[in-house]
Amino acid sequence: GAVVSQHPSWVICKSGTSVKIECRSLDFQATTMFWYRQFPKQSLMLMATSNEGSKATYEQGVEKDKFLINHASLTLSTLTVTSAHPEDSSFYICSASRRSGSYETQYFGPGTRLLVL
Amino acid sequence: AQSVAQPEDQVNVAEGNPLTVKCTYSVSGNPYLFWYVQYPNRGLQFLLKYITGDNLVKGSYGFEAEFNKSQTSFHLKKPSALVSDSALYFCAAPRRAGANNLFFGTGTRLTVIP
Repeated sequence: GAVVSQHPSWVICKSGTSVKIECRSLDFQATTMFWYRQFPKQSLMLMATSNEGSKATYEQGVEKDKFLINHASLTLSTLTVTSAHPEDSSFYICSASRRSGSYETQYFGPGTRLLVL
Repeated sequence: AQSVAQPEDQVNVAEGNPLTVKCTYSVSGNPYLFWYVQYPNRGLQFLLKYITGDNLVKGSYGFEAEFNKSQTSFHLKKPSALVSDSALYFCAAPRRAGANNLFFGTGTRLTVIP
């Protein structure tokens, strides 16, 4: 159990286009979903925290109008990179939080590699 | 704010030898600590977590971690390394006590040499 999927796994797009990435918890309902960005050979940088039915909470320095997050249900969150530019090229990873008793554990998707030309 | 630190960027170990990947923590209250592994071009996979109880936590793929309160450490260990264990390992803790978002360490790249 606790499987999280992401789609697409790879995307190449032209500068100026928008890209949507889906994150789904396949076998559990997620209390919260998170979006991370990872640069080569670096750790994960939390971009935003997303709860179903409410606005996402963005970390400092992350443009909310640039990275639109929609958390439509307890199993689906989407990240849209609007008007993508080459500097947005990165590895984007989502996670879904599952509660077990008093504690939560995050389970991660396989990641989406975005290349903006 | 709570945090973790991974003092080693790279760890090399011969296949069959025991391995240790180090992590130290700075938390308030009771620690809630995680280890994750990342294979190339993949997301993170959950290995194990410490909430409370036994100081030695057993996880996936034969890994275990030892919680040491006096040294504020949570080192990841495995008695006998496999080449397939070569990956990037992250230690993590909640950003604040009671928070559900995690602060990740900088990662340690483990290379197991055949």
